[in-house]
Amino acid sequence: QKEVEQNSGPLSVPEGAIASLNCTYSDRVSQSFFWYRQYSGKSPELIMSIYSNGDKEDGRFTAQLNKASQYVSLLIRDSQPSDSATYLCAVNQADTGRRALTFGSGTRLQVQP
Amino acid sequence: GAGVSQSPRYKVAKRGQDVALRCDPISGHVSLFWYQQALGQGPEFLTYFQNEAQLDKSGLPSDRFFAERPEGSVSTLKIQRTQQEDSAVYLCASSYRTDRSYEQYFGPGTRLTVT
Repeated sequence: QKEVEQNSGPLSVPEGAIASLNCTYSDRVSQSFFWYRQYSGKSPELIMSIYSNGDKEDGRFTAQLNKASQYVSLLIRDSQPSDSATYLCAVNQADTGRRALTFGSGTRLQVQP
Repeated sequence: GAGVSQSPRYKVAKRGQDVALRCDPISGHVSLFWYQQALGQGPEFLTYFQNEAQLDKSGLPSDRFFAERPEGSVSTLKIQRTQQEDSAVYLCASSYRTDRSYEQYFGPGTRLTVT
């Protein structure tokens, strides 16, 4: 079992809809959670970080964390064709002293005009 | 301000050659990370520096891989006697914090192709 699991997709949504991207992780000591967006041929770009249970909103993006269920999600409201990319979920266990991020394989999102 | 920069952006090496990949982190960032990304996969951790100290090298796949950050700023990842399985994108990331708020910012990467 991979430490961070994501559905590879593609997830296809029409323009203007809400895109929901999900991620589960296996290590209960994970403390910090991140969503990165990666366009084809480009490097990952940080879009959201979340550290405590609940929701965190930033513009059209909302990250949701449920540590009891070991689940983190990203909602993109009013999806635009420019949101079409691969979304990577990443976790780290900073409180154990380990600083590395562990990434999922990413979910490819396609927003249809 | 300037982001993380990496050079070269593309490198083609013949099998058996040595290569050196450079990373220049965001000014003032204490923490520096190297990751390897294969096609269709998420980045995989290689090694981590806090200032000039290499605190974690658990992800380096073999002793052919070596990284340094002698003055606590620029870092070099060296791969000796390259093999075809080393072909990947090598990403550098930096973070100004050393605590749990590990927001890491990535450079553009170096695409290494070993022929």
